[in-house]
Amino acid sequence: AQTIHQWPVAEIKAVGSPLSLGCTIKGKSSPNLYWYWQATGGTLQQLFYSITVGQVESVVQLNLSASRPKDDQFILSTEKLLLSHSGFYLCAWRTQNYAEQFFGPGTRLTVL
Amino acid sequence: QQKVQQSPESLIVPEGAMTSLNCTFSDSASQYFAWYRQHSGKAPKALMSIFSNGEKEEGRFTIHLNKASLHFSLHIRDSQPSDSALYLCAVSLRATGGNNKLTFGQGTVLSVIP
Repeated sequence: AQTIHQWPVAEIKAVGSPLSLGCTIKGKSSPNLYWYWQATGGTLQQLFYSITVGQVESVVQLNLSASRPKDDQFILSTEKLLLSHSGFYLCAWRTQNYAEQFFGPGTRLTVL
Repeated sequence: QQKVQQSPESLIVPEGAMTSLNCTFSDSASQYFAWYRQHSGKAPKALMSIFSNGEKEEGRFTIHLNKASLHFSLHIRDSQPSDSALYLCAVSLRATGGNNKLTFGQGTVLSVIP
């Protein structure tokens, strides 16, 4: 069975500080991977997607970057956090042949 | 750019009632239509999806799609307090391959009162 983990579970960071969020998928080779951002109680905004190792496409410019260093790993980062980065960050995966996306448990980020 | 709108924004129903949630989309070439449910503080999880016009029923849940009207809906029969959650509709232009970008609606908050 496939499992998806995100770390950390929650972060409280200062404006201007760096950030790195991680996502790992086990039990599925070559998944399509996604990063989403969700404001409190709001809709899901897709940030990045990756079809293969080393290849990441940006969907929305929010002063964030993403990388896929391994087949099962997706990293979201920034060198300088803004207040507007606060929210719920979700990683998701899907196979090439099926549209449904499966979400990880998420990371709650608070920027002060 | 695909636009997806949900109605109502929030809904309070008594236990046992029928609940109806609506979603409209803007691109008639869309191929994948889904409802996701998200309990407070948790990850969204797909409830049901449909690819072609018509209805599909799974237990207490029914999804209905009318592509000509650019509209699909979710109906919950015999609503339970455990159904209380944020419901997000999602639409994609492609069902498979590449980045089938899912565009989500803004969500409907459902509260089922015992």
